Amino acid sequence: QQQVKQSPQSLIVQKGGISIINCAYENTAFDYFPWYQQFPGKGPALLIAIRPDVSEKKEGRFTISFNKSAKQFSLHIMDSQPGDSATYFCAASPTGGSEKLVFGKGTKLTVNP
Amino acid sequence: KAGVTQTPRYLIKTRGQQVTLSCSPISGHRSVSWYQQTPGQGLQFLFEYFSETQRNKGNFPGRFSGRQFSNSRSEMNVSTLELGDSALYLCASSLVRPNYEQYFGPGTRLTVT
Repeated sequence: QQQVKQSPQSLIVQKGGISIINCAYENTAFDYFPWYQQFPGKGPALLIAIRPDVSEKKEGRFTISFNKSAKQFSLHIMDSQPGDSATYFCAASPTGGSEKLVFGKGTKLTVNP
Repeated sequence: KAGVTQTPRYLIKTRGQQVTLSCSPISGHRSVSWYQQTPGQGLQFLFEYFSETQRNKGNFPGRFSGRQFSNSRSEMNVSTLELGDSALYLCASSLVRPNYEQYFGPGTRLTVT
């Protein structure tokens, strides 16, 4: 069964701090790893994504680190802001001809001012 | 470019009824996927359509079905509604691999009473 495990379930960070969310997968047949941000009452919004041939990708304050041998990937939010308070989901897409995404359970991030 | 649109945004139905939800993808996107989001199970893949054909299906009962039209718009149908079908139903559209970033709509909040 294809699974993605995400931790922690919730995270509280002070403004200006670094938020780190981790995900691990059990099946090697994934070839695309996106992160989504979701605010209450909204659909998930694509934040940043990485493919397994790259170990790190940075876009602004958001960085994905990818460890293929350990089957782990993580999201780092630098200089966290109160506006970053949201639920974050990691996901993985199985190889093959479909665009299916397997999601982690989500991390609720709270950034205190 | 307009984003993914979903109608209706909110729906209240009675157990045993059926419901049809609609999704209009981003212009040019031919792949449409549907997901169910609940507090307990998180985001779960329902099915994916490409060029009017179902390419992949999640682990949901046959009461859940969908279709895609020639203009890429998609509908999903749930028959014989159960209380447990109460959820946020999300539609996502994408181009196809290798450019398969998925963009989500705002969702349809279905409440079954």
